[in-house]
Amino acid sequence: DGGITQSPKYLFRKEGQNVTLSCEQNLNHDAMYWYRQDPGQGLRLIYYSQIVNDFQKGDIAEGYSVSREKKESFPLTVTSAQKNPTAFYLCASSNQGANEKLFFGSGTQLSVL
Amino acid sequence: AQKITQTQPGMFVQEKEAVTLDCTYDTSDPSYGLFWYKQPSSGEMIFLIYQGSYDQQNATEGRYSLNFQKARKSANLVISASQLGDSAMYFCAMREVAGNNRKLIWGLGTSLAVNP
Repeated sequence: DGGITQSPKYLFRKEGQNVTLSCEQNLNHDAMYWYRQDPGQGLRLIYYSQIVNDFQKGDIAEGYSVSREKKESFPLTVTSAQKNPTAFYLCASSNQGANEKLFFGSGTQLSVL
Repeated sequence: AQKITQTQPGMFVQEKEAVTLDCTYDTSDPSYGLFWYKQPSSGEMIFLIYQGSYDQQNATEGRYSLNFQKARKSANLVISASQLGDSAMYFCAMREVAGNNRKLIWGLGTSLAVNP
């Protein structure tokens, strides 16, 4: 079955630690996205990538980094510079085209120890 | 600036009845797309329905329909014959079509509870 796989489902970060969230898709989509969701808030875009080896900052990129070395993979690193990382993180992908719907993974809940 | 407003933080509906979830938007671009997504307690966002700004007819997908009123800048989601499995958060989102904009603007969501 085609889809998006995020791992792990739950992740805990210690003070000063970098952690990486995995996102893999087998939908052959060009575009991939990372969103952050806080309770009572809508989704906020962290980073997105429209093509391999290229990515753009979203609205809240500070304290995060990404890479897009393969079409299928778009990992997100939450660095120690992100002082409030506790949130639900969603990865998505889509084909190119403004009316293309996003397909989402099941999310990663990141908490600070 | 683009904006999506969902004014109903929470809604209740009786099983088998219809429910309307409100969404208003603000954009100065004539070309845009509107999306509705469902987020059950499992966390995954599920696409429900899409409406383009130039579409002549309201979009429908099974039990979901979009009541698109362009002059009022509203794109309300109508769920007919509610089921218990419809209990979830529902998000309205908008993307401008012009240019290479890949961003979706999201509303804060509406929590729907379907009562048996």
